[in-house]
Amino acid sequence: DQQVKQNSPSLSVQEGRISILNCDYTNSMFDYFLWYKKYPAEGPTFLISISSIKDKNEDGRFTVFLNKSAKHLSLHIVPSQPGDSAVYFCAASALGAGNMLTFGGGTRLMVKP
Amino acid sequence: DAGVIQSPRHEVTEMGQEVTLRCKPISGHDYLFWYRQTMMRGLELLIYFNNNVPIDDSGMPEDRFSAKMPNASFSTLKIQPSEPRDSAVYFCASSEGQGVGYTDTQYFGPGTRLTVL
Repeated sequence: DQQVKQNSPSLSVQEGRISILNCDYTNSMFDYFLWYKKYPAEGPTFLISISSIKDKNEDGRFTVFLNKSAKHLSLHIVPSQPGDSAVYFCAASALGAGNMLTFGGGTRLMVKP
Repeated sequence: DAGVIQSPRHEVTEMGQEVTLRCKPISGHDYLFWYRQTMMRGLELLIYFNNNVPIDDSGMPEDRFSAKMPNASFSTLKIQPSEPRDSAVYFCASSEGQGVGYTDTQYFGPGTRLTVL
């Protein structure tokens, strides 16, 4: 049973436009959410996170939105750049879970020049 | 700091052979995680350690898999005997351990691509 789901395996966006990556979760105990970016032949790298006490967190071109009632979060990248082309993983953790993260399956973003 | 170091980066072996993957976490980090990435199952947690002690190994697929952390700067993941379905990329990650109530950022190594023929 996948507790964190990224239903879009891939997304293609034109450079300069907005990229929106979506993530859904089922475990109501999750209270902290992270996005990781992964380039080929490299390990995932942390991008941005959000606590369940917030509904938005922004860092430069990257903004994460959390809708707890819908158990849904999204990552917005504005404007998208070709260097953003990568696989993006959504991850979640629950308080008291000892820093364990549950990852989604990933979404491959392709930003076309 | 050099980040999380994994070796080897690539491993090709034959079915039935023993495989040992190695990881050096970031100095000062209290948590170490082993993940496996496959097309079918995505990124799945196999086991994690806190202060060198295994905390949760429920993700370890079978008894053929074992992991150790003899000290704070070294961990191994061993597969014996290996099978073709073990082919995947194995990642090691570490995190600081800020205390109760915090979720730490995990820092990943570059991964070991394992191919079992």
